[in-house]
Amino acid sequence: GAGVSQSPSNKVTEKGKDVELRCDPISGHTALYWYRQSLGQGLEFLIYFQGNSAPDKSGLPSDRFSAERTGGSVSTLTIQRTQQEDSAVYLCASSLGERETQYFGPGTRLLVL
Amino acid sequence: AQSVTQLDSQVPVFEEAPVELRCNYSSSVSVYLFWYVQYPNQGLQLLLKYLSGSTLVKGINGFEAEFNKSQTSFHLRKPSVHISDTAEYFCAVSDQVRGSYIPTFGRGTSLIVHP
Repeated sequence: GAGVSQSPSNKVTEKGKDVELRCDPISGHTALYWYRQSLGQGLEFLIYFQGNSAPDKSGLPSDRFSAERTGGSVSTLTIQRTQQEDSAVYLCASSLGERETQYFGPGTRLLVL
Repeated sequence: AQSVTQLDSQVPVFEEAPVELRCNYSSSVSVYLFWYVQYPNQGLQLLLKYLSGSTLVKGINGFEAEFNKSQTSFHLRKPSVHISDTAEYFCAVSDQVRGSYIPTFGRGTSLIVHP
């Protein structure tokens, strides 16, 4: 079956531009997570969606970052006015519910010049 | 707040040798513990997890880990590694403080298996 997919796989942008990263979770998974993975660092939690509940945004590093999940399925992470320090791999994961195994996508590698 | 420390950033080992990747955590409440593997240019994949019960947990690809509450550790072991085990390994811990079991990840350990 299809796993978690993310697009684009790579994104190069100029400082100050906005970017949108997309995540397609596994069908039927109610929980969706976004993480950021910087070189030499672990995974940094960004945001969590669970069903129709209000998302947990406690990991978003600044108000330039936002995310939405439409129809309980596809999610988009938006970074406005990108900065060079935003360069990282952005990972999405989904699970059947909280405490269930998370399945990760391959990530989007973002480079801000 | 919870935290995870992976004591070794890189572990080189020869093929067929045993390996242990160390992980220590801190948390004030009961925890769930995970090990993930990330092969080059791929997403993370769950190796094993501890939720409750037996402290020795067996995972995929011959890996196992032991939960030691007194030492707040969850070290990952394999008795004989293969070249194909070369990858980045992440330890993670989650608890109920956040109310949603969001895991905190360590910085990762790069396992390099030499022929």
